[in-house]
Amino acid sequence: DIQMTQSPSSLSASVGDRVTITCRASQSISSYLNWYQQKPGKAPKLLIYAASSLQSGVPSRFSGSGSGTEFTLTISSLQPEDFATYYCQQSSPTFGGGTKVEIK
Amino acid sequence: EVQLVESGGGLVKPGGSLRLSCAASGFTFSSYSMNWVRQAPGKGLEWVSSISSSSSYIYYADSVKGRFTISRDNAKNSLYLQMNSLRAEDTAVYYCARASALYYFDYWGQGTLVTVSS
Repeated sequence: DIQMTQSPSSLSASVGDRVTITCRASQSISSYLNWYQQKPGKAPKLLIYAASSLQSGVPSRFSGSGSGTEFTLTISSLQPEDFATYYCQQSSPTFGGGTKVEIK
Repeated sequence: EVQLVESGGGLVKPGGSLRLSCAASGFTFSSYSMNWVRQAPGKGLEWVSSISSSSSYIYYADSVKGRFTISRDNAKNSLYLQMNSLRAEDTAVYYCARASALYYFDYWGQGTLVTVSS
């Protein structure tokens, strides 16, 4: 089975910061990597699919990159509504362990 | 508007059974693979099971294989999860989610809580 490892598991950042979250696959998954945002008590929301495609309605400050085994989710300028937990997912489908983005 | 509404969660004793339902609307249900994903309290997301559009392909996580059964009724636009031999570690919020052709989950329900406790 393909394992997905996210880092860091949590981070503290300020509004306006650039934030990068990494997801590594235990073997190549081409570009079959998706990113979700989840706020407490809510269902996950799809942000990025196929490594770098922005889901409709998602702000352009979110971007994804990578292929093979290493992927990144970048928030170019963190907004108050972006404080949440982020998960990567590969198409098998396995989720990463999550990255909690907290207010500094 | 795409909507997925889960129901059927509740409190059940270890070894008991429960059947979850997910009512879909706002899209052609019979054209999409559907999934169950769960989240234990304070934990991350865990994929549970998937079923193809015509029920031809069904997959389960190892943690539920042999105990859970996924099914769907395209005439009723509904997805189901029959859960038997429930264990404390099955306690979680269970979400139904629609899968795209590239196997990303683009729509999710609000979730239903299953608590397994004596």
